[in-house]
Amino acid sequence: EVQLLESGGGLVQPGGSLRLSCAASGFTFTSYDMGWVRQAPGKGLEWVSSITTTGGSTKYADSVKGRVTVSRDNSKDTLYLQMDSLRAEDTAVYYCAISKSGTGWKFDSWGQGTLVTVSP
Amino acid sequence: EIVLTQSPATLSLSPGERVTLSCRASQTVSRYLAWYQQKPGQAPRLLIYDASNRATDIPARFSGSGSGTDFTLTISSLEPEDFAVYYCQHHSSWPLTFGGGTKVEIK
Repeated sequence: EVQLLESGGGLVQPGGSLRLSCAASGFTFTSYDMGWVRQAPGKGLEWVSSITTTGGSTKYADSVKGRVTVSRDNSKDTLYLQMDSLRAEDTAVYYCAISKSGTGWKFDSWGQGTLVTVSP
Repeated sequence: EIVLTQSPATLSLSPGERVTLSCRASQTVSRYLAWYQQKPGQAPRLLIYDASNRATDIPARFSGSGSGTDFTLTISSLEPEDFAVYYCQHHSSWPLTFGGGTKVEIK
């Protein structure tokens, strides 16, 4: 069974940093591209970032470009999202999600999310 | 950026009714469109990919159609567990975008 467990969320002041992690199990990690999608309280879904199986290619939404870095450690089956210069509008539940490599960037399975709150 | 517009924003229906949800793209996405279901407090779940393919373990009452800029998600007969918010998402180019969602609520 696919399991994706996010961690690292919490309360941070504007301008601060957080590193989110997503521990994966139940599937062959290196066969899947990965992504982060966020959802502000009471709002819809917003794609944040994606990374290919080897980490050789990364993509970012304009809203986070230059402030966020996605990475993965295939030896630990873990995905990361380093978030710097955080703003109030980054407040959201952050989901990690997987996409079978070569099948297009739709998200086959999702974690339960971790809440990031940016507030003084 | 491709904008996805979902309509209507909210649908009030009864169990057993047929549901048709719309997703319109600002430019063609070919068939690179997915549909997700999200219930309160839960993560989204993939229902349909590549416009018309059901994801694993998705009941046959869910179906998708369309190509280019106009897409439809149909639920043939609403079950109590189908009351949720539904999102479309394209993956034809970067950035990936989601529609604003359609809430299907109990009448």
